[in-house]
Amino acid sequence: DTGVSQNPRHKITKRGQNVTFRCDPISEHNRLYWYRQTLGQGPEFLTYFQNEAQLEKSRLLSDRFSAERPKGSFSTLEIQRTEQGDSAMYLCASSFRLDYGYTFGSGTRLTVV
Amino acid sequence: SQELEQSPQSLIVQEGKNLTINCTSSKTLYGLYWYKQKYGEGLIFLMMLQKGGEEKSHEKITAKLDEKKQQSSLHITASQPSHAGIYLCGAYHPNTGNQFYFGTGTSLTVIP
Repeated sequence: DTGVSQNPRHKITKRGQNVTFRCDPISEHNRLYWYRQTLGQGPEFLTYFQNEAQLEKSRLLSDRFSAERPKGSFSTLEIQRTEQGDSAMYLCASSFRLDYGYTFGSGTRLTVV
Repeated sequence: SQELEQSPQSLIVQEGKNLTINCTSSKTLYGLYWYKQKYGEGLIFLMMLQKGGEEKSHEKITAKLDEKKQQSSLHITASQPSHAGIYLCGAYHPNTGNQFYFGTGTSLTVIP
């Protein structure tokens, strides 16, 4: 399978716990993006990597959120001290060039109880 | 901030009917992308439009970008239950940096 892979598909956690999501992009794509989507809304940009460098971060990415992309391959998104407001679908996308569009993964749905 | 407005927000059609979804920007778009999302899943790329006046078709779905590159429409002919889902337009603009921004989506239900 050469698509974008995200794990886990679903995560239920208690408020205050830390969670980590993983994204494996298409291997030849050097750009990787994280988006967050809440019910009834379009995806909102969180952060962008070109290779291993994190080049952009949205103001939505509070200090409880951290993302990494070691060696420019897979990426992880960690949320510390989760809050109920963090409940959302977290989408990862990769691309070769912005004007070629994105390929999205299936997302990780986070529920904070 | 860059905004894409989609209309309608939701649509319920009888199987076999045609329908159109619109996506409007207040600024000139440098690329307009249509995605489809099944409920609770990731986004599937449908089509990309970059030139003013461009039109592309795939199976029963046709997308157009107006000459001013500020409005796009997605037209589905003879809708089927498999067309049901959320349709999202996305775009990028030099002012938005290295990211896409998306409309709020149009939820399509097709009644058999």
